Amino acid sequence: DTVLTQSPALAVSLGQRVTISCRASKSVSTYMHWYQQKSGQQPKLLIYSASNLESGVPSRFSGSGSGTDFTLTIDPVEADDIANYYCQQSNELLTFGSGTKLEIK
Amino acid sequence: EVQLVESGGGLVQPGSPLKLSCAASGFTFSSNWLNWIRQAPGKGLEWVASINPDGSSTYYPDTVKGRFVVSKDNAKNTGYLQMNNLRSEDTAMYYCARFKDNNYGFAYWGQGTLVTVSS
Repeated sequence: DTVLTQSPALAVSLGQRVTISCRASKSVSTYMHWYQQKSGQQPKLLIYSASNLESGVPSRFSGSGSGTDFTLTIDPVEADDIANYYCQQSNELLTFGSGTKLEIK
Repeated sequence: EVQLVESGGGLVQPGSPLKLSCAASGFTFSSNWLNWIRQAPGKGLEWVASINPDGSSTYYPDTVKGRFVVSKDNAKNTGYLQMNNLRSEDTAMYYCARFKDNNYGFAYWGQGTLVTVSS
């Protein structure tokens, strides 16, 4: 199984840049996707195939990486971005990372 | 507009079965995979089942393999998740989801149905 590792939480100041990381236990090429989940809502696709911005998602969000190391960047962070962020790989079956909670400093 | 609406959740006793449904509209259901993802209270997301467009192939993680069965009825535009021998650790919100076109990211999600396994 491909295990995805994320930091549990990150604190950031509004208006600053934040990078959320996801490390895969084996290469997933660029078959990595990112989601935002706000409290009480279903997840929302932000980035697909490592670096492609989903339609309707603000350009403040971007993704990069390949192989085993991936990042989701938000620049600048807005109050509405406070949420949990999950990575998901689709190279070998499907697995999600454990999620990163974005908090305001 | 793509819509996915789950139903069938509820409170069940350990060891009991339960069948969830996912009613789809706004797209060609017969041409798309159907997926189920769950989220235990306060926890992260866990993929639990996928079925290919014509229903001929199914996929599961080891945590539910042998207990859960995913199916779809393309004539009714409805997908199903049959859950057997339920355990307390199966307590979660269950979402059905559709892949983005030509990609395996989950672009469309239902609102979820809550399953609680407790005596």
